[in-house]
Amino acid sequence: EVQLVESGGGLVQPGRSLRLSCTASGFTFGDYAMSWVRQAPGKGLEWVGFIRSKAYGGTTEYAASVKGRFTISRDDSKSIAYLQMNSLKTEDTAVYYCTREPWFDPWGQGTLVTVSS
Amino acid sequence: QSVLTQPPSVSGAPGQRVTISCTGSSSNIGAGYDVHWYQQLPGTAPKLLIYGNSNRPSGVPDRFSGSKSGTSASLAITGLQAEDEADYYCQSYDSSLTVVFGGGTKLTVL
Repeated sequence: EVQLVESGGGLVQPGRSLRLSCTASGFTFGDYAMSWVRQAPGKGLEWVGFIRSKAYGGTTEYAASVKGRFTISRDDSKSIAYLQMNSLKTEDTAVYYCTREPWFDPWGQGTLVTVSS
Repeated sequence: QSVLTQPPSVSGAPGQRVTISCTGSSSNIGAGYDVHWYQQLPGTAPKLLIYGNSNRPSGVPDRFSGSKSGTSASLAITGLQAEDEADYYCQSYDSSLTVVFGGGTKLTVL
């Protein structure tokens, strides 16, 4: 079964950092680009960024709202994608999902990040 | 403000047909990028409903169909059922190498 499991969420103060993990199973992780998508409470889906597979250079793209603060990386040997979030703001409070490209399927269960003092 | 525009809400009675529109521009849908649709039931993660404009993943009922024309796309649901009550999102790509979503449409089954 193809599955994604996010972890690492929690309560963090504004300006601090947090790293999320997305552990994949059931498919050849290294063959796929991976995306992070977030959803603020009561709001719609917002794309955060993605990382291409090594075959396409392993390069990354980000939404303007997180560019320069968030970094996506991957460890294909462990089938894990990471989202490093620095200089967190209250508006980054959301459930963060990881998902697999080229269309977003499957999705993980999400992990809640709350940025508050 | 979402890059792709969807109606905030639609409704229909059981058995009826509803459509949800997704309007983009020449830099995303109109540039030839595929449109994908997701269903999000209350309190759950989104689920892929339609990929590549009009393709259904296995397990998705054929009551759901998608289409694309020009700078817009549509999701149609026929034979509406109570279990279809959910939020629906369209998604595509932009020429700026970013992913774009619609703002979401809440479907209410009357």
